[in-house]
Amino acid sequence: GAGVSQSPSNKVTEKGKDVELRCDPISGHTALYWYRQSLGQGLEFLIYFQGNSAPDKSGLPSDRFSAERTGGSVSTLTIQRTQQEDSAVYLCASSGDRGNSPLHFGNGTRLTVT
Amino acid sequence: GQSLEQPSEVTAVEGAIVQINCTYQTSGFYGLSWYQQHDGGAPTFLSYNALDGLEETGRFSSFLSRSDSYGYLLLQELQMKDSASYFCAVRDPVNYGGSQGNLIFGKGTKLSVKP
Repeated sequence: GAGVSQSPSNKVTEKGKDVELRCDPISGHTALYWYRQSLGQGLEFLIYFQGNSAPDKSGLPSDRFSAERTGGSVSTLTIQRTQQEDSAVYLCASSGDRGNSPLHFGNGTRLTVT
Repeated sequence: GQSLEQPSEVTAVEGAIVQINCTYQTSGFYGLSWYQQHDGGAPTFLSYNALDGLEETGRFSSFLSRSDSYGYLLLQELQMKDSASYFCAVRDPVNYGGSQGNLIFGKGTKLSVKP
């Protein structure tokens, strides 16, 4: 079946521009997660959705970052006024309802801010 | 808060056995998971331990000791394709009630398998 789909796969943008990253989770998965990964580093948590609500936004690095999820499905992560330190791979994952449900990751969006 | 510690790098030879340790500190515990990530790829789920003991899945096994806040991933009969980063992860108990909560990852262990 279809996995988690992220678009675009690559995005190059100029410093100061806004970018929007999209995540299409596995159908029926109620939980959706955004992580950020810099080259050779671990997975930095950004935000978690349960349905359309975000119980945990604690990982968003600054008020330039925002995310929403609509219809319990597609999610968008928006970064305003991008900075060079925002360059990273942004990974989205979704999971089922049970507490031990594994996360299924998309292939990520590689963001480069020049 | 929650924190996980694991070695940053491990090197082993083909055919060998390697153990990747993970210690965690968390105010509540809802199981320890392991994920594998090849360079340039997405993390993929390997295993989950909620109870003490060893879980075996083919060449990979995962162990948990809740009293020691410790777990490990054991990889046997290493193959070149096992070269990857391995992450342990725990659920964030702060948001767990009524939902899965966030998954917090360790910094990862880069495994290099040599011929």
